Amino acid sequence: GAVVSQHPSRVICKSGTSVKIECRSLDFQATTMFWYRQFPKQSLMLMATSNEGSKATYEQGVEKDKFLINHASLTLSTLTVTSAHPEDSSFYICSARDAAKGVMNTEAFFGQGTRLTVV
Amino acid sequence: QKEVEQNSGPLSVPEGAIASLNCTYSDRGSQSFFWYRQYSGKSPELIMSIYSNGDKEDGRFTAQLNKASQYVSLLIRDSQPSDSATYLCAVKVTGGFKTIFGAGTRLFVKA
Repeated sequence: GAVVSQHPSRVICKSGTSVKIECRSLDFQATTMFWYRQFPKQSLMLMATSNEGSKATYEQGVEKDKFLINHASLTLSTLTVTSAHPEDSSFYICSARDAAKGVMNTEAFFGQGTRLTVV
Repeated sequence: QKEVEQNSGPLSVPEGAIASLNCTYSDRGSQSFFWYRQYSGKSPELIMSIYSNGDKEDGRFTAQLNKASQYVSLLIRDSQPSDSATYLCAVKVTGGFKTIFGAGTRLFVKA
C-alpha cells in the first residue's frame, strides 16, 4: 500500500524559533500533498495544498509567510513553521495523493503526524 | 463555504452490534467520498472510499452513498472494542483535489 512518512513525529521548540516538518511518499510519486492542522478534539483543518514545482495554495486565514511550504520533488514536501509561538502548538499532518492513479482517483494517504509543542 | 457535517457522538454500541455513522455534505457537485478512522494521538487511516450511489462493502465495513440527499454513511458490522475510535467523513470538493473533513464521530464499542 501507499506509504507516507512524516518526520519528526514529535518536536518541542522554543518560542521564536523555526521548525521544519518533512513529508515523504515512500513508494509512489505525489504531485500533490496536503498539510493539515488538528487541535485537540477537533477535526483536521486544511492549511494548504502543496504542488510539486509550483507555489502552494493556502487556505483562507493561513499565513503563508509563517507556514512556508516547499514541494521540490515528487516525493518530498516540507512545512516550516517560522517564528513559532505557543498558539502554533498542534498536531500537523500531511497527506499525499498518488499521481499515477489518475485524476479520478482522489484517495490520499496520511503521514504519521507531527506533534509540535512550542514553549 | 463547503461543509461536511457529522454527529460528534459519542456513539456507544455493544460488542457484536452494528455501528451506524452518518455524514451530510453541502457541495452538491462532489463525486468522491471517504471514511477515515483516527485513533487518539494518531493520524487518520483510510477505511473506505465511495464514488457511486449505493452500497460498497469491504469486510465488516459498508459505505453507503446517496448523492441526491447529499448523504454518506458507514456501517460497521460485528463491532469490536478495537473499532473504538473517531471516524472522519471526508469529501473531495468539486474541481481540484482538496478534501474537506467533518468533525468526526467518536465511537465506543463496549466489551
